[in-house]
Amino acid sequence: QVQLVQSGSELKKPGASVKVSCKASGYTFTTYAMNWVRQAPGQGLEWMGWINTNTGNPTYAQGFTGRFVFSLDTSVSTAYLQISSLKAEDTAVYYCARDRVPITKVRGHPRWFDPWGQGTLLSVSS
Amino acid sequence: EIVMTQSPATLSVSPGERATLSCRASQSVSSNLAWYQQKPGQAPRLLIYGASTRDTGIPARFSGSGSGTEFTLTISSLQSEDFAVYYCQQYNNWPPTFGQGTKVEIK
Repeated sequence: QVQLVQSGSELKKPGASVKVSCKASGYTFTTYAMNWVRQAPGQGLEWMGWINTNTGNPTYAQGFTGRFVFSLDTSVSTAYLQISSLKAEDTAVYYCARDRVPITKVRGHPRWFDPWGQGTLLSVSS
Repeated sequence: EIVMTQSPATLSVSPGERATLSCRASQSVSSNLAWYQQKPGQAPRLLIYGASTRDTGIPARFSGSGSGTEFTLTISSLQSEDFAVYYCQQYNNWPPTFGQGTKVEIK
């Protein structure tokens, strides 16, 4: 079945970096874009951006430029989220979520998301 | 960006009763709206897209309606497994945006 499996929880100190992975299975990885969504503790969902898994081109939402980097390793069907210069306010659960419409049809425009990874809890604390 | 506003923030419903959740967009999103269910400690789960199309495997008690700026998710007869937080998401305009969620709790 179509599945996204993310890496485990992380505890980091302010100023450090982290790289979260999202391994896809059950479908052709390069057919669908991958989105990243943040959920701060007790809060709602915030779209961070997405990456075209065919071209590797990332697009970042406002507020997620500079310290946030999306990347891919298509040989292992895995997407990555790297966050540098971590701050306490980066503490959140980070989800990868596949776009449901094939890249060839979305015309650069995210649609609805399914499936989602199980989430990766990032805690940033000194 | 388009602001999605959900109401109420919390809905208290007895099992077997009907639940009606609202989602309003700050400008028209046509029918480009999805609904998700999130249970504690779990990832969101897609319920509906295109404002009214149930995803595969979603029970018929879940239905979506609306277009433009006003949308509704209806759960016809609440089951114990339906108590969760529900989010709407528009994908008509960039960036895609979510509502703040409605928590459906047991009355």
